[in-house]
Amino acid sequence: AQRVTQPEKLLSVFKGAPVELKCNYSYSGSPELFWYVQYSRQRLQLLLRHISRESIKGFTADLNKGETSFHLKKPFAQEEDSAMYYCALSVGSSGSRLTFGEGTQLTVNP
Amino acid sequence: DAMVIQNPRYQVTQFGKPVTLSCSQTLNHNVMYWYQQKSSQAPKLLFHYYDKDFNNEADTPDNFQSRRPNTSFCFLDIRSPGLGDAAMYLCATRHGADTQYFGPGTRLTVL
Repeated sequence: AQRVTQPEKLLSVFKGAPVELKCNYSYSGSPELFWYVQYSRQRLQLLLRHISRESIKGFTADLNKGETSFHLKKPFAQEEDSAMYYCALSVGSSGSRLTFGEGTQLTVNP
Repeated sequence: DAMVIQNPRYQVTQFGKPVTLSCSQTLNHNVMYWYQQKSSQAPKLLFHYYDKDFNNEADTPDNFQSRRPNTSFCFLDIRSPGLGDAAMYLCATRHGADTQYFGPGTRLTVL
């Protein structure tokens, strides 16, 4: 069975500092990986997906199949980045059934 | 404009009293999902509909049922809620190879 692990429940950085949210997965096949974000009092929304290979709000994530990781990175954190971040894995057709990690609460301090 | 709508946002029920949560969408997506998210835990998929085809997750309790009368609406029925069913329930939709769009959730309290 597939599994997603986010080792840090809480992460706190200062504004302007680099930030990395870790995500590791276990799945024997070729998964599709996503990062979802939930800002305070808002709905869960897609931040980025690995097949798009794009940068959203300054965030990037690279799928490393050798290390089975999909870490989320941003070189200069902003206060508005404070949110809950979930890494998710899909094993069906694109985005069909998501398995989520338990999330990392990011706080960016002024 | 809200695309995935969940009503009510907060629901209180009594132990053992059946409750129904509602989800509607304006996206005309063919797939609809229900997730359960307990406090400080990951969202957990309960089941999903691909058009009219119902797909139950293996570990979803029988206490949870779902109905999808048409493309726009999907309901989550909890036949006999227990204290352990208190959670946030998230509805999501998807179409084709697109990603999932989530509703705001319904927070269920069981007294």
